[in-house]
Amino acid sequence: AQKITQTQPGMFVQEKEAVTLDCTYDTSDPSYGLFWYKQPSSGEMIFLIYQGSYDQQNATEGRYSLNFQKARKSANLVISASQLGDSAMYFCAMSPPVSGNTPLVFGKGTRLSVIA
Amino acid sequence: ETGVTQTPRHLVMGMTNKKSLKCEQHLGHNAMYWYKQSAKKPLELMFVYSLEERVENNSVPSRFSPECPNSSHLFLHLHTLQPEDSALYLCASSQGGQDIFSGANVLTFGAGSRLTVL
Repeated sequence: AQKITQTQPGMFVQEKEAVTLDCTYDTSDPSYGLFWYKQPSSGEMIFLIYQGSYDQQNATEGRYSLNFQKARKSANLVISASQLGDSAMYFCAMSPPVSGNTPLVFGKGTRLSVIA
Repeated sequence: ETGVTQTPRHLVMGMTNKKSLKCEQHLGHNAMYWYKQSAKKPLELMFVYSLEERVENNSVPSRFSPECPNSSHLFLHLHTLQPEDSALYLCASSQGGQDIFSGANVLTFGAGSRLTVL
């Protein structure tokens, strides 16, 4: 079975600084996908970034990058130049490689607070 | 209207009431999902519908009854709920048929329906 662990219940970061949110995973599948979602107080889960287990390079999307270390089974999210609007819950998730409508398995999340 | 829309956004009901949550997606996706989000717990998958057929039911109590009349609409019918069922219920949709080599099966979520059971 797949499992996602996010060990940081809460994080604080100064505006304009970079922050790393930790995520480790456990799976016996040789191939899988890793995702990060942001959930602001409004409730909607917003997709941020995706990394496939066979991708050679770390994924990047604007200010978001995913520090993928396959041997350590970690997929940390790095947010550069933090903004006040980045304050939210952040969830790491993974999916098995099977095609089709495969649901995601989520971690418990990390609450990020950006301080002015 | 675009994306995934959930109604109502907030619902308060007694344990003997019957109510329904509605989800509508305007993305042309062929799969829809219900997730439950309780405080301090990971999101829990409840139901998955693919091409309007239920493909997964994660041992959800029968007091939750899903309905998917077409690929754009998903309902969650609620009856005789318990206070511990109070949570945020999130609907999502995706375009299945992809694998990790051709692209991520990204789920697009709605804003959720916050349910309080008294």
